[in-house]
Amino acid sequence: DIQLTQSPSFLSASVGDRVTITCRASQGISSYLAWYQQKPGKAPKLLIYAASTLQSGVPSRFSGSGSGTEFTLTISSLQPEDFATYYCQQLNSYPRGPLTFGGGTKVEIK
Amino acid sequence: EVQLVESGGGLVQPGGSLRLSCAASGFTFSSYEMNWVRQAPGKGLEWVSYISSSGSTIYYADSVKGRFTISRDNAKNSLYLQMNSLRAEDTAVYYCARGFVTMTGPAFDIWGQGTMVTVSS
Repeated sequence: DIQLTQSPSFLSASVGDRVTITCRASQGISSYLAWYQQKPGKAPKLLIYAASTLQSGVPSRFSGSGSGTEFTLTISSLQPEDFATYYCQQLNSYPRGPLTFGGGTKVEIK
Repeated sequence: EVQLVESGGGLVQPGGSLRLSCAASGFTFSSYEMNWVRQAPGKGLEWVSYISSSGSTIYYADSVKGRFTISRDNAKNSLYLQMNSLRAEDTAVYYCARGFVTMTGPAFDIWGQGTMVTVSS
């Protein structure tokens, strides 16, 4: 099974900061990676799919890059509503699975 | 409005059974693949199961294979998860999520609000 390792697991930042989260896959997954944002008590929300394609309606301050085994999610200027937990998910084996998620990165206010 | 609404969660004893439902609205349910994803309290996300748009293709995570059964009724715009032989480690919020498949890659684009399943004596 493909494992995803996110780093850091916790991040403290200020409004306006540029934030980068990394997701590493245990084997190559081409560009079959998605990023989700989850706020406490809420369902995850799709931000980016195919490693770098911004989902409709998601602010352009979010961007994704990478292919193979290393991927990044960047928030160019952190806004108050961006404080949340972020998960990557590999879909290289879609739909057969397992469609693993990273462990999450919690972004908190400094 | 595109929406998924789960129901059926609750408290069940170890070894017991529960059936979750997910009602879809605002889109052509029969055209979309669907998934179940769960999240144990304070933990990350875990994919549970997939079903194709027609229901003819189904996959499960190893952790639930043989105990859980995914199904759908396209006439009722509904997705189901029958959970048998429940264990304490199945305690989680269960989300239904729509499969979003594009030329560049898939993702889960619409999620329900989740339903809590607690397995405890």
